[in-house]
Amino acid sequence: GAVVSQHPSWVICKSGTSVKIECRSLDFQATTMFWYRQFPKQSLMLMATSNEGSKATYEQGVEKDKFLINHASLTLSTLTVTSAHPEDSSFYICSARDNRRQAIPPGELFFGEGSRLTVL
Amino acid sequence: ILNVEQSPQSLHVQEGDSTNFTCSFPSSNFYALHWYRWETAKSPEALFVMTLNGDEKKKGRISATLNTKEGYSYLYIKGSQPEDSATYLCAFCGYQKVTFGTGTKLQVIP
Repeated sequence: GAVVSQHPSWVICKSGTSVKIECRSLDFQATTMFWYRQFPKQSLMLMATSNEGSKATYEQGVEKDKFLINHASLTLSTLTVTSAHPEDSSFYICSARDNRRQAIPPGELFFGEGSRLTVL
Repeated sequence: ILNVEQSPQSLHVQEGDSTNFTCSFPSSNFYALHWYRWETAKSPEALFVMTLNGDEKKKGRISATLNTKEGYSYLYIKGSQPEDSATYLCAFCGYQKVTFGTGTKLQVIP
């Protein structure tokens, strides 16, 4: 099956630093990738839709200057948490849709392993 | 904000028991309903993609049904095994947007 690799799986950083998380589709191309955040005992909350070669689409309430998304190739999207603060500590996970399954209705998503961010 | 709800939040069953849980979602602007299994320390994996009202899908001991008119889907596990222990997520797919439920955490006790 399709594989999405997310790195790092966990990171601890000091307040004020920036953290970059990578999401790679290993055996398929993905024009569209999605970034989620999960708070304890809550569902996956979509933060933004990452579009290869164009600007990301952010969900309401998500600060685009805080969570920078870059999707420079068909296999890589990055999420940078800028000037991280303790309230940014969370579980972040990406998913991707195989370009060969872009038809409507939408095909399944392929997820990375997630990244646990702890900001001290 | 779309309301996608799953119940129960968690359950414990004995090995060999059959179980089922529910995903409820809006009945309008429906494109697809996905079920995912999310084992600890792993990536969520798709179980089923369901699109048509009345759909029934099966994969081994796991099956799912879909009612788009009333906005619910059931996931059934027959003869639960310890390896079925995971969080089961449903995802409502509207046009270009996917909304996840909070999941049902299943623990199968040997």
